[in-house]
Amino acid sequence: DIQMTQSPPSLSASVGDRVTITCRASQNIRKYLNWYQQQPGKAPKVLIFGASTLQGGDPTRFSGSGSGTDFTLTINGLQPEDVATYFCQQSYSTPRTFGQGTKVEIK
Amino acid sequence: VKLVESGGGLVQPGGSMRLSCAASGFRFSDYWMTWVRQAPGKGLEWVANIKQDGSEKNFADSLKGRVFISRDNAQNALYLQMNSVTVADTAVYYCAREELLWFGAATPYSWLDPWGQGTLVIVSS
Repeated sequence: DIQMTQSPPSLSASVGDRVTITCRASQNIRKYLNWYQQQPGKAPKVLIFGASTLQGGDPTRFSGSGSGTDFTLTINGLQPEDVATYFCQQSYSTPRTFGQGTKVEIK
Repeated sequence: VKLVESGGGLVQPGGSMRLSCAASGFRFSDYWMTWVRQAPGKGLEWVANIKQDGSEKNFADSLKGRVFISRDNAQNALYLQMNSVTVADTAVYYCAREELLWFGAATPYSWLDPWGQGTLVIVSS
């Protein structure tokens, strides 16, 4: 199975800050990487697929980059509604493993 | 587009559970479908997925032999059965539709959208 490792496990930032979350795959997954946002008490929803394609309707302050084994989710200008846990997931092979999550809070 | 899970509740250790997911608002038979679970306060764990016609199924290695996924396209329904449950199976179980994007490569991009609201299974005596 492909292992996905996210860092940091949690972070606290101020409104308006730029926030960066990283995800590392245990093998080359090309660009088969998704990012999900899970707000407290809600089901996850997709933010980005194919490493860098923003899901329609999602705010453009979210962006994704990377390929191979190293990926990044960036929030440009953190907003209060961005308080959530963010998960990466590889779709290169089954089982389609998730990272352990990064909890984002407002300072 | 809506997915609604049901069948959660209290299950005795060693028992079985069967979850259902009712799909509406889209052509169910056109999509791969997936189950994902989340233990209380923990991360997401991919459980299984099933092809449009049910001819192909994939499972998490840790659950192989104990979990079964099926679908009824006439009823727009997805199912998950789990046997010999333990306290470690306590989780919210989500069903999700798998979106695919073919871009010329042998393998399409795929992602989960939308997700249902989840159904909570508690394994306890």
